[in-house]
Amino acid sequence: SQQGEEDPQALSIQEGENATMNCSYKTSINNLQWYRQNSGRGLVHLILIRSNEREKHSGRLRVTLDTSKKSSSLLITASRAADTASYFCATDFGNEKLTFGTGTRLTIIP
Amino acid sequence: DARVTQTPRHKVTEMGQEVTMRCQPILGHNTVFWYRQTMMQGLELLAYFRNRAPLDDSGMPKDRFSAEMPDATLATLKIQPSEPRDSAVYFCASGLGPRLGIGETQYFGPGTRLLVL
Repeated sequence: SQQGEEDPQALSIQEGENATMNCSYKTSINNLQWYRQNSGRGLVHLILIRSNEREKHSGRLRVTLDTSKKSSSLLITASRAADTASYFCATDFGNEKLTFGTGTRLTIIP
Repeated sequence: DARVTQTPRHKVTEMGQEVTMRCQPILGHNTVFWYRQTMMQGLELLAYFRNRAPLDDSGMPKDRFSAEMPDATLATLKIQPSEPRDSAVYFCASGLGPRLGIGETQYFGPGTRLLVL
């Protein structure tokens, strides 16, 4: 399966702490995207990183990509209660489709 | 505020009944995706369209599922006959299509939560 694997499956941290989640995949990609899903809602695009990029920032989000290790990480700094959600990585293998990972369920404890 | 809309938001039906789910993509988007999300399988791509033409429906059980785009503002996903194992959340997403060197961002609707009894 080309599906990405997120790690950890679940993460609970105190508000204000940083949250890091990882994504690994198996074959070469064009780009990798991160999405957030709040309970009972659709997925929301957060950030896209191309295969020739190593790091990208968007507000409190920092994404890294290591194509040699076929892995990516999403860092959320200074977490807030509103960051409680599931986070998915999605890989674009160049076949015009995204393959979504299994997700990390993040809980921010107030 | 442009959004993907889906109807109905919830559907409870009995096994054997036909189910039709509708999606209105964001105006101007030329790509529409249908996904199914379950706890066991995660998010699975069922089918997708570009410029209303079906490009890939390999993820869809052909014997009971069908997807169409009657026009640029409406995509439908039908299940006939429905079975309990079809119970899931069905998402529609739309996008502008892949742009060279950039990739495609997908915009998801709120989903249709289907329960087949």
